[in-house]
Amino acid sequence: DAKTTQPTSMDCAEGRAANLPCNHSTISGNEYVYWYRQIHSQGPQYIIHGLKNNETNEMASLIITEDRKSSTLILPHATLRDTAVYYCIVRVVDDYKLSFGAGTTVTVRA
Amino acid sequence: DTAVSQTPKYLVTQMGNDKSIKCEQNLGHDTMYWYKQDSKKFLKIMFSYNNKELIINETVPNRFSPKSPDKAHLNLHINSLELGDSAVYFCASSQDTLAVNEQFFGPGTRLTVL
Repeated sequence: DAKTTQPTSMDCAEGRAANLPCNHSTISGNEYVYWYRQIHSQGPQYIIHGLKNNETNEMASLIITEDRKSSTLILPHATLRDTAVYYCIVRVVDDYKLSFGAGTTVTVRA
Repeated sequence: DTAVSQTPKYLVTQMGNDKSIKCEQNLGHDTMYWYKQDSKKFLKIMFSYNNKELIINETVPNRFSPKSPDKAHLNLHINSLELGDSAVYFCASSQDTLAVNEQFFGPGTRLTVL
């Protein structure tokens, strides 16, 4: 019952910015956008989240469109260690539950 | 190291057996979770406890019983194991702040039922 649509896979070059799109056209005003990633054989790792404003932290930037129907996760300088499955998740503000979809498999190439 | 830890990392067992997976977090978090990741790599929440109280119980067979002896521990007991229970089980924890709800995941327990 994931509420997001992401490309199945994408490649990016090491050292370049990686822009990961996510569509969440049915998002409600009380729902956050979260991004997690899962490196092979490890547990998922939180990256960033936002409600309506753009957000930046040491790992990435999150750009949310004004209508909130889509967002883009930006990894500013992709490294080989960023190769992972990236999950875009919509979470209701007062709900502990995260619903993971299929995610985008990102491969960073040297 | 502060982290979420799980034991065992690998578990191979026969159908019909009963097994437990343990999870501990030393992050001081109030909420803990169990997720199941099947062979198709979909990650689905199973249970969540907040301060030892069950708050999420997804449609999971009652052969699965979580137990939280204290805030730092959430164990998963599985009775009468079936082939379809083979998966990677992840434990996670988060601070009791719904505005953020950043979940920290353990390394996973790979369960194989033969």
